[in-house]
Amino acid sequence: GQQLNQSPQSMFIQEGEDVSMNCTSSSIFNTWLWYKQDPGEGPVLLIALYKAGELTSNGRLTAQFGITRKDSFLNISASIPSDVGIYFCAGQSGSEKLVFGKGTKLTVNP
Amino acid sequence: EAGVVQSPRYKIIEKKQPVAFWCNPISGHNTLYWYRQNLGQGPELLIRYENEEAVDDSQLPKDRFSAERLKGVDSTLKIQPAELGDSAVYLCASSNRTGPRAQYFGPGTRLLVL
Repeated sequence: GQQLNQSPQSMFIQEGEDVSMNCTSSSIFNTWLWYKQDPGEGPVLLIALYKAGELTSNGRLTAQFGITRKDSFLNISASIPSDVGIYFCAGQSGSEKLVFGKGTKLTVNP
Repeated sequence: EAGVVQSPRYKIIEKKQPVAFWCNPISGHNTLYWYRQNLGQGPELLIRYENEEAVDDSQLPKDRFSAERLKGVDSTLKIQPAELGDSAVYLCASSNRTGPRAQYFGPGTRLLVL
C-alpha cells in the first residue's frame, strides 16, 4: 500500500529558530495536507495544498507541494513554545483516502 | 461554526465488552470518516461515508466493527466484542462534497481495553 516517509522523526530546537520537515512518497498524490496534533486532541489542519508546485503560507508556516507530486515540506519560522506538538503530513489520491506519515515530534526550548 | 463533535472523549472497558463512539460532523459536510490512531502512528482510515452510504470500508475489521450513518449526518462506530489490541484513539473527520476536500478532525475518543 501507499506509504509516506516523514522526517525527521523528532526535533529539539531553541525558541526563535526555524524548522523544516518533509514527506516523501513512492506514489503520486493530488493533495497534500499538513496537520498539528497536541496531546489529547485530534489533528488540526494547518495548510492544504492542491496543485503541484503550490507554495502556501499560514502565518509563520509555509508549505510546498512538490512538482513531482511525490513530496511536500513544511517550514516554521521563528518558532515559539506553542509550536510544540506532533506534525503530520497526509497525502490524498483520487480515492479520497488520506495516507498519513508517522509524524514529526517538535520540542521547543524557551 | 462548530467543529466535529465526538463523544465520549475517554472510555475504559474490559475485553469482550461492547463499546460505541458517536460523531457529529461539521454542518453541511456530506463526507464523514472514521480513523484509528495507534500510539506513535498517524491515523489510519477505517470507513468513509458519502451521505448515508459507506463507500470505502475496506479497512474496517467487519467481524467485530460496525458503523452506521442512518440519516447522513451523525454516525456511530461500534466494537463488539472489544479486544486488547483495540486500545487506540478513534478519530472522526468530515469534509465538504464540493470545493476543497480537506478533512477536519474531531478531538477523538481514547479507548483503553483492559
